[in-house]
Amino acid sequence: ETGVTQSPTHLIKTRGQQVTLRCSSQSGHNTVSWYQQALGQGPQFIFQYYREEENGRGNFPPRFSGLQFPNYSSELNVNALELDDSALYLCASSRTGGGSEETQYFGPGTRLLVL
Amino acid sequence: GENVEQHPSTLSVQEGDSAVIKCTYSDSASNYFPWYKQELGKGPQLIIDIRSNVGEKKDQRIAVTLNKTAKHFSLHITETQPEDSAVYFCAASGPHTGNQFYFGTGTSLTVIP
Repeated sequence: ETGVTQSPTHLIKTRGQQVTLRCSSQSGHNTVSWYQQALGQGPQFIFQYYREEENGRGNFPPRFSGLQFPNYSSELNVNALELDDSALYLCASSRTGGGSEETQYFGPGTRLLVL
Repeated sequence: GENVEQHPSTLSVQEGDSAVIKCTYSDSASNYFPWYKQELGKGPQLIIDIRSNVGEKKDQRIAVTLNKTAKHFSLHITETQPEDSAVYFCAASGPHTGNQFYFGTGTSLTVIP
């Protein structure tokens, strides 16, 4: 088990609503990456946060946004939810600047269902 | 951008046999290749990783090999056990990918007791 935690575990929203997902990184880690995993697919990179700023972004529209806090925890916000946003949202933490920056450890995910 | 292909999509083996999962990548600048195991209802768990300056890495029953020339890498699980049943994902990344991992589509491994 990694020390990465996510909340909530499950969430049901309706189309057009907004959602906020939360992630606490593993102790000693300062970087958080967010991924979207559709059913039967591999995770797709949304963006990464380091030093409270976005540090890389995948092919996702601006209605996907995020924050990182001084304690390195992070939020993923999705506005104007669409049916296709239904997926497992994964948070991964890593350490930038301490060697082995590439190694990412995933949390259990938040299952989002948009109706 | 990077493109990672993974085969097979499903794999069934008898307990005690070996399992091999293969991935190819498109960008020769990729230099880090992790493998993750994902059980039902859980997040991906890192099981082994390899960097491009190494051709093979082993950790007990799990090994990964990397062929940089052919741009492919493989996961080998020996003496499989029922608890090895899960979905396995390969990924590739490098300084050129902007810190993002590119994942394969996954292999569902079933170990038959």
